[in-house]
Amino acid sequence: EPEVTQTPSHQVTQMGQEVILRCVPISNHLYFYWYRQILGQKVEFLVSFYNNEISEKSEIFDDQFSVERPDGSNFTLKIRSTKLEDSAMYFCALRRGASEKETQYFGPGTRLLVL
Amino acid sequence: SQQGEEDPQALSIQEGENATMNCSYKTSINNLQWYRQNSGRGLVHLILIRSNEREKHSGRLRVTLDTSKKSSSLLITASRAADTASYFCATPTYSGAGSYQLTFGKGTKLSVIP
Repeated sequence: EPEVTQTPSHQVTQMGQEVILRCVPISNHLYFYWYRQILGQKVEFLVSFYNNEISEKSEIFDDQFSVERPDGSNFTLKIRSTKLEDSAMYFCALRRGASEKETQYFGPGTRLLVL
Repeated sequence: SQQGEEDPQALSIQEGENATMNCSYKTSINNLQWYRQNSGRGLVHLILIRSNEREKHSGRLRVTLDTSKKSSSLLITASRAADTASYFCATPTYSGAGSYQLTFGKGTKLSVIP
Protein backbone atom coordinates (compact mmCIF):
# COMPACT_ATOMS: atom_id res chain seq x y z
CA GLU A 1 0.00 0.00 0.00
CA PRO A 2 1.41 3.40 -0.94
CA GLU A 3 1.74 5.99 1.79
CA VAL A 4 1.02 8.84 -0.57
CA THR A 5 -0.36 9.60 -4.00
CA GLN A 6 0.11 12.67 -6.15
CA THR A 7 -2.10 14.37 -8.70
CA PRO A 8 -1.85 14.99 -11.53
CA SER A 9 0.72 12.49 -12.71
CA HIS A 10 1.56 14.73 -15.65
CA GLN A 11 0.87 18.39 -16.35
CA VAL A 12 1.69 20.51 -19.36
CA THR A 13 1.29 24.24 -18.97
CA GLN A 14 2.16 27.45 -20.71
CA MET A 15 4.84 29.72 -19.31
CA GLY A 16 3.33 32.25 -16.95
CA GLN A 17 0.40 30.06 -15.94
CA GLU A 18 -0.29 28.96 -12.40
CA VAL A 19 -0.13 25.29 -11.47
CA ILE A 20 -1.17 23.46 -8.33
CA LEU A 21 0.31 20.08 -7.54
CA ARG A 22 -1.41 17.91 -4.98
CA CYS A 23 -0.16 15.36 -2.52
CA VAL A 24 -2.68 13.05 -0.89
CA PRO A 25 -1.54 11.21 2.23
CA ILE A 26 -3.03 7.78 2.78
CA SER A 27 -2.58 7.84 6.53
CA ASN A 28 -1.65 10.33 9.22
CA HIS A 29 1.63 12.18 8.80
CA LEU A 30 3.28 14.98 10.68
CA TYR A 31 5.92 16.19 8.26
CA PHE A 32 5.42 17.15 4.65
CA TYR A 33 8.02 17.91 2.02
CA TRP A 34 8.34 18.88 -1.61
CA TYR A 35 11.35 17.98 -3.72
CA ARG A 36 11.97 18.37 -7.39
CA GLN A 37 14.17 16.62 -9.93
CA ILE A 38 15.07 18.31 -13.16
CA LEU A 39 15.60 15.73 -15.88
CA GLY A 40 18.97 14.04 -15.45
CA GLN A 41 19.83 15.95 -12.30
CA LYS A 42 19.75 15.44 -8.54
CA VAL A 43 16.66 15.40 -6.41
CA GLU A 44 16.56 18.80 -4.72
CA PHE A 45 14.78 19.85 -1.55
CA LEU A 46 12.24 22.65 -1.92
CA VAL A 47 10.33 23.01 1.33
CA SER A 48 9.29 21.28 4.53
CA PHE A 49 5.98 21.81 6.32
CA TYR A 50 5.15 20.97 9.90
CA ASN A 51 2.38 22.03 12.23
CA ASN A 52 0.70 23.99 9.46
CA GLU A 53 3.65 26.15 8.65
CA ILE A 54 6.85 26.10 6.64
CA SER A 55 9.70 24.82 8.77
CA GLU A 56 12.46 25.10 6.19
CA LYS A 57 12.83 26.14 2.58
CA SER A 58 15.64 26.11 0.05
CA GLU A 59 16.90 28.89 -2.19
CA ILE A 60 14.85 27.39 -4.99
CA PHE A 61 11.63 28.04 -3.09
CA ASP A 62 11.20 31.70 -3.97
CA ASP A 63 8.13 33.91 -3.94
CA GLN A 64 6.69 32.09 -6.93
CA PHE A 65 6.15 29.01 -4.76
CA SER A 66 3.71 28.44 -1.94
CA VAL A 67 2.46 25.45 0.02
CA GLU A 68 -0.60 24.77 2.11
CA ARG A 69 -2.89 22.09 3.51
CA PRO A 70 -6.23 23.67 2.65
CA ASP A 71 -8.43 20.91 4.00
CA GLY A 72 -6.08 19.45 6.60
CA SER A 73 -5.44 16.48 4.38
CA ASN A 74 -4.14 17.28 0.93
CA PHE A 75 -0.81 19.08 0.75
CA THR A 76 -0.40 21.39 -2.22
CA LEU A 77 2.43 23.12 -4.00
CA LYS A 78 1.48 26.16 -6.05
CA ILE A 79 3.69 27.79 -8.63
CA ARG A 80 2.18 31.18 -9.40
CA SER A 81 3.77 32.03 -12.72
CA THR A 82 5.59 29.10 -14.22
CA LYS A 83 8.89 29.46 -16.00
CA LEU A 84 10.54 27.14 -18.48
CA GLU A 85 13.07 26.12 -15.85
CA ASP A 86 10.30 24.89 -13.55
CA SER A 87 9.94 21.86 -15.82
CA ALA A 88 10.80 18.91 -13.58
CA MET A 89 9.44 15.99 -11.62
CA TYR A 90 7.96 17.19 -8.35
CA PHE A 91 7.89 14.73 -5.48
CA CYS A 92 5.92 15.00 -2.31
CA ALA A 93 7.38 13.22 0.71
CA LEU A 94 5.76 12.49 4.03
CA ARG A 95 6.97 11.38 7.40
CA ARG A 96 4.81 10.00 10.17
CA GLY A 97 6.79 10.95 13.23
CA ALA A 98 9.86 12.58 14.70
CA SER A 99 11.69 9.35 15.48
CA GLU A 100 14.78 8.73 13.40
CA LYS A 101 13.22 5.42 12.41
CA GLU A 102 10.47 7.30 10.63
CA THR A 103 11.78 7.80 7.14
CA GLN A 104 10.38 9.90 4.34
CA TYR A 105 7.93 8.19 2.01
CA PHE A 106 7.97 9.63 -1.47
CA GLY A 107 5.03 9.89 -3.78
CA PRO A 108 5.22 8.79 -7.42
CA GLY A 109 5.74 12.37 -8.57
CA THR A 110 4.13 14.86 -10.93
CA ARG A 111 5.91 15.49 -14.18
CA LEU A 112 5.54 19.19 -15.00
CA LEU A 113 6.36 20.49 -18.44
CA VAL A 114 6.34 24.23 -19.01
CA LEU A 115 6.17 25.33 -22.63
CA SER B 1 26.33 21.92 2.99
CA GLN B 2 26.05 18.18 3.25
CA GLN B 3 26.22 16.47 -0.07
CA GLY B 4 26.24 12.88 -1.13
CA GLU B 5 28.11 11.99 -4.27
CA GLU B 6 27.87 8.50 -5.65
CA ASP B 7 30.22 6.61 -7.84
CA PRO B 8 30.21 5.11 -10.31
CA GLN B 9 27.69 7.22 -12.20
CA ALA B 10 26.67 4.16 -14.17
CA LEU B 11 27.19 0.46 -13.63
CA SER B 12 26.30 -2.41 -15.91
CA ILE B 13 26.51 -6.00 -14.67
CA GLN B 14 25.22 -9.44 -15.50
CA GLU B 15 22.39 -10.97 -13.55
CA GLY B 16 23.71 -12.88 -10.57
CA GLU B 17 26.72 -10.64 -10.07
CA ASN B 18 27.13 -8.28 -7.14
CA ALA B 19 26.81 -4.54 -7.55
CA THR B 20 28.67 -2.07 -5.37
CA MET B 21 27.92 1.62 -5.28
CA ASN B 22 29.76 4.19 -3.24
CA CYS B 23 28.75 7.48 -1.72
CA SER B 24 30.82 10.25 -0.20
CA TYR B 25 29.60 13.18 1.84
CA LYS B 26 31.15 16.31 3.24
CA THR B 27 29.96 17.06 6.74
CA SER B 28 29.09 15.09 9.86
CA ILE B 29 25.83 13.20 9.78
CA ASN B 30 23.36 11.51 12.11
CA ASN B 31 22.52 8.90 9.54
CA LEU B 32 22.78 8.13 5.87
CA GLN B 33 19.99 6.72 3.75
CA TRP B 34 19.85 4.91 0.45
CA TYR B 35 16.98 5.27 -1.98
CA ARG B 36 16.11 3.61 -5.23
CA GLN B 37 14.34 5.14 -8.21
CA ASN B 38 12.99 3.19 -11.12
CA SER B 39 13.04 5.14 -14.36
CA GLY B 40 10.60 8.04 -14.22
CA ARG B 41 9.14 6.92 -10.90
CA GLY B 42 9.26 7.96 -7.28
CA LEU B 43 11.93 7.26 -4.73
CA VAL B 44 11.75 4.18 -2.55
CA HIS B 45 13.55 4.10 0.76
CA LEU B 46 15.88 1.12 1.01
CA ILE B 47 17.87 1.38 4.19
CA LEU B 48 19.04 3.81 6.86
CA ILE B 49 22.34 3.44 8.65
CA ARG B 50 23.09 5.47 11.76
CA SER B 51 26.37 7.24 12.32
CA ASN B 52 27.28 4.81 15.12
CA GLU B 53 26.71 1.78 12.90
CA ARG B 54 29.35 0.36 10.58
CA GLU B 55 27.31 -2.15 8.66
CA LYS B 56 23.69 -3.00 8.09
CA HIS B 57 21.91 -5.71 6.15
CA SER B 58 18.47 -5.91 4.63
CA GLY B 59 17.79 -8.92 2.43
CA ARG B 60 20.25 -8.78 -0.46
CA LEU B 61 21.37 -5.29 0.52
CA ARG B 62 24.42 -4.56 2.59
CA VAL B 63 25.34 -1.03 3.56
CA THR B 64 28.55 0.08 5.18
CA LEU B 65 29.41 3.43 6.69
CA ASP B 66 32.86 4.81 7.41
CA THR B 67 32.43 8.12 9.19
CA SER B 68 36.19 8.72 9.31
CA LYS B 69 36.27 8.69 5.51
CA LYS B 70 32.81 10.19 5.17
CA SER B 71 31.78 7.43 2.85
CA SER B 72 29.20 4.69 2.51
CA SER B 73 28.74 1.79 0.17
CA LEU B 74 25.69 -0.14 -0.98
CA LEU B 75 26.18 -3.73 -2.05
CA ILE B 76 23.45 -5.62 -3.85
CA THR B 77 24.22 -9.32 -3.93
CA ALA B 78 23.03 -11.79 -6.55
CA SER B 79 21.57 -9.02 -8.67
CA ARG B 80 18.39 -9.47 -10.69
CA ALA B 81 17.11 -7.69 -13.76
CA ALA B 82 14.48 -6.11 -11.52
CA ASP B 83 17.25 -4.33 -9.61
CA THR B 84 17.80 -2.11 -12.64
CA ALA B 85 17.26 1.41 -11.31
CA SER B 86 19.06 4.48 -10.07
CA TYR B 87 20.37 4.40 -6.52
CA PHE B 88 20.87 7.50 -4.42
CA CYS B 89 22.42 8.15 -1.09
CA ALA B 90 20.90 10.93 0.98
CA THR B 91 21.95 12.70 4.13
CA PRO B 92 19.57 14.55 6.44
CA THR B 93 19.89 18.14 7.58
CA TYR B 94 17.79 18.73 10.66
CA SER B 95 15.73 21.89 10.87
CA GLY B 96 14.16 21.57 14.27
CA ALA B 97 11.02 19.99 15.73
CA GLY B 98 12.23 16.63 14.48
CA SER B 99 12.03 17.64 10.84
CA TYR B 100 14.83 17.15 8.35
CA GLN B 101 15.36 17.61 4.67
CA LEU B 102 17.36 15.22 2.56
CA THR B 103 20.30 16.14 0.38
CA PHE B 104 20.69 13.64 -2.43
CA GLY B 105 23.65 12.67 -4.51
CA LYS B 106 23.56 12.41 -8.28
CA GLY B 107 22.99 8.69 -8.11
CA THR B 108 24.34 5.56 -9.68
CA LYS B 109 22.42 4.15 -12.60
CA LEU B 110 22.52 0.37 -12.33
CA SER B 111 21.70 -1.84 -15.29
CA VAL B 112 21.41 -5.57 -14.66
CA ILE B 113 21.55 -7.56 -17.86
CA PRO B 114 19.54 -10.80 -17.89
